[in-house]
Amino acid sequence: DGGITQSPKYLFRKEGQNVTLSCEQNLNHDAMYWYRQDPGQGLRLIYYSQIVNDFQKGDIAEGYSVSREKKESFPLTVTSAQKNPTAFYLCASGQRREAVGEKLFFGSGTQLSVL
Amino acid sequence: AQSVTQPDIHITVSEGASLELRCNYSYGATPYLFWYVQSPGQGLQLLLKYFSGDTLVQGIKGFEAEFKRSQSSFNLRKPSVHWSDAAEYFCAVGAGGSARQLTFGSGTQLTVLP
Repeated sequence: DGGITQSPKYLFRKEGQNVTLSCEQNLNHDAMYWYRQDPGQGLRLIYYSQIVNDFQKGDIAEGYSVSREKKESFPLTVTSAQKNPTAFYLCASGQRREAVGEKLFFGSGTQLSVL
Repeated sequence: AQSVTQPDIHITVSEGASLELRCNYSYGATPYLFWYVQSPGQGLQLLLKYFSGDTLVQGIKGFEAEFKRSQSSFNLRKPSVHWSDAAEYFCAVGAGGSARQLTFGSGTQLTVLP
């Protein structure tokens, strides 16, 4: 089955610790995205990548880092600099088609909590 | 910059009743418009999208949405709600074709009563 796999489903972070969230896709999509979702709010874009070895900051990139060494993989690291990391993190991929807009395919998310 | 408002935080309907979820946007030109649905603890799934053409758009799961330029709205409708439709619904507006330019609304939580 084609899709996006996020792991782990639940993650706990200790003070001062960096943690990495995994995102893998087998849809052969060029673009991948990381969103943060807080209760009662819409999704906010953290980072995105439109091609291997290239990525750009989104609207709330501070305290996060990413890499895109393979087309299939786009891991997100939540660093100790992110002071309020508790949230639901969603990874998505998409294939842009200008005429109809890019359809996003989402993973099932990772809930990150602080111990 | 574009913005999107979903005025209803929570809506409750009975199974079999009709449904309308509101979405208002702000953008100078014709935007790309999307409705996504999220089941608890899951990612989002695209219901339908609009950019041009017929202003009434059909989507999956029996949903439809109507683009009204004069009202800057893109409301989601379903004639008869099923219990499985209980979820959170997000409207999104984009200035261009790339998801990089998407702005999501804050969502509407739908509860379906038996």
